[in-house]
Amino acid sequence: AQSVAQPEDQVNVAEGNPLTVKCTYSVSGNPYLFWYVQYPNRGLQFLLKYITGDNLVKGSYGFEAEFNKSQTSFHLKKPSALVSDSALYFCAVRVSGAGSYQLTFGKGTKLSVIP
Amino acid sequence: DTGVSQNPRHKITKRGQNVTFRCDPISEHNRLYWYRQTLGQGPEFLTYFQNEAQLEKSRLLSDRFSAERPKGSFSTLEIQRTEQGDSAMYLCASSWARTDTQYFGPGTRLTVL
Repeated sequence: AQSVAQPEDQVNVAEGNPLTVKCTYSVSGNPYLFWYVQYPNRGLQFLLKYITGDNLVKGSYGFEAEFNKSQTSFHLKKPSALVSDSALYFCAVRVSGAGSYQLTFGKGTKLSVIP
Repeated sequence: DTGVSQNPRHKITKRGQNVTFRCDPISEHNRLYWYRQTLGQGPEFLTYFQNEAQLEKSRLLSDRFSAERPKGSFSTLEIQRTEQGDSAMYLCASSWARTDTQYFGPGTRLTVL
């Protein structure tokens, strides 16, 4: 079985400050990890993914995430937050090579960037 | 690239009625997925197609749910004898085998009265 935990329901950060949205995962095997963002009444937008290789992954809109195998974490980061980054963020995982392509999502973290 | 489209965007129905949703994937994407999202939760996987073959189904997909993808292009998700617990956002996603990234549509919000 695979699972994702996003320990914070909400993260508040001041505009211009660095932001971190936490994600830990559990899989039997090697993980493929993803971050998506959801704006109100809209579908999910892909931000970035880790498949293999460099542990630091860079994605859209200045976001990046670091894969840490020993801590089973994949935290999302951005050096300087914008008000427009305020949205709901989802971490997702699937197992590589298992013949299954279903993503398992966390419950989401609401990010609020305060002007 | 026109993105994944879903129709209708909103559907209100009475308990016991049947509903059908449509998903048009990004062209040339051979994989198509259906997820369900309820308020305050992340999306939950329902089913997955590779071309026209339905290869995975979740336990969430009860016998009242059926999905098809004729000719490996658009897909439909039908819910028979709807229940209030079926009220949710139904999301469709598609991907190309080489990139393995799922791109989501805007969703169909179902309300069962």
